[in-house]
Amino acid sequence: QVQLVESGGGVVQPGRSLRLSCAASGFTFNTYGMHWVRQAPGKGLEWVAVIWYDGSNKYYADSVKGRFTISRDNSKNTLYLQMNSLRAEDTAVYYCARDGGWGGYYRFDSWGQGTLVTVSS
Amino acid sequence: EIVLTQSPGTLSLSPGERATLSCRASQSVISSYLVWYQQKSGQAPRLLIYGASSRATGVPDRFSGSGYGTDFTLTISRLEPEDFAVYYCQQYGGSPPSWTFGPGTKVEIK
Repeated sequence: QVQLVESGGGVVQPGRSLRLSCAASGFTFNTYGMHWVRQAPGKGLEWVAVIWYDGSNKYYADSVKGRFTISRDNSKNTLYLQMNSLRAEDTAVYYCARDGGWGGYYRFDSWGQGTLVTVSS
Repeated sequence: EIVLTQSPGTLSLSPGERATLSCRASQSVISSYLVWYQQKSGQAPRLLIYGASSRATGVPDRFSGSGYGTDFTLTISRLEPEDFAVYYCQQYGGSPPSWTFGPGTKVEIK
């Protein structure tokens, strides 16, 4: 079955960097678009970034544009999120999510369990 | 940018009752791109309804979605204990692509 396992979260000081990873299994990784979605403590869901199945296109929420970079390694079935210049408002659980595949790019079909990023001095 | 509003913020109901959740968009949304998720406490969200009215794999038929344009509804016909959770609607917009969530409706036990 589909498995998405995030890692790399932790406590980081404002202005520093962190890289999240998402290991995928149970499906043909290089045929799906992949996303990062975050959820601040006690708050709702916020889409962060998407990368096309082949890495050819990437898009970001305005709140992270210029600071975060999404990437993938299809040979390792792994999705990444490089987060630079972190701010307190980036504190959240970060989920990786798979899109719905062909014709289902508009939805998130499967989610990982999330990894918590806390930005604090 | 399309903004999604969900109401009510909290719905207090008893098991066996019917739940009606609303998702309203600031502009017309393509129905194919309207999605509902369920999130239980401490868990990741789970896809429930896509294309406004299609149930995802494994979703019980007590869950149904409807609507078009700017007004969409998620209905739970008879609440089971496991249905008490937060429900989010989400829409997709193109040029450039973006994915937007509503603020959520919490369905709690009365």
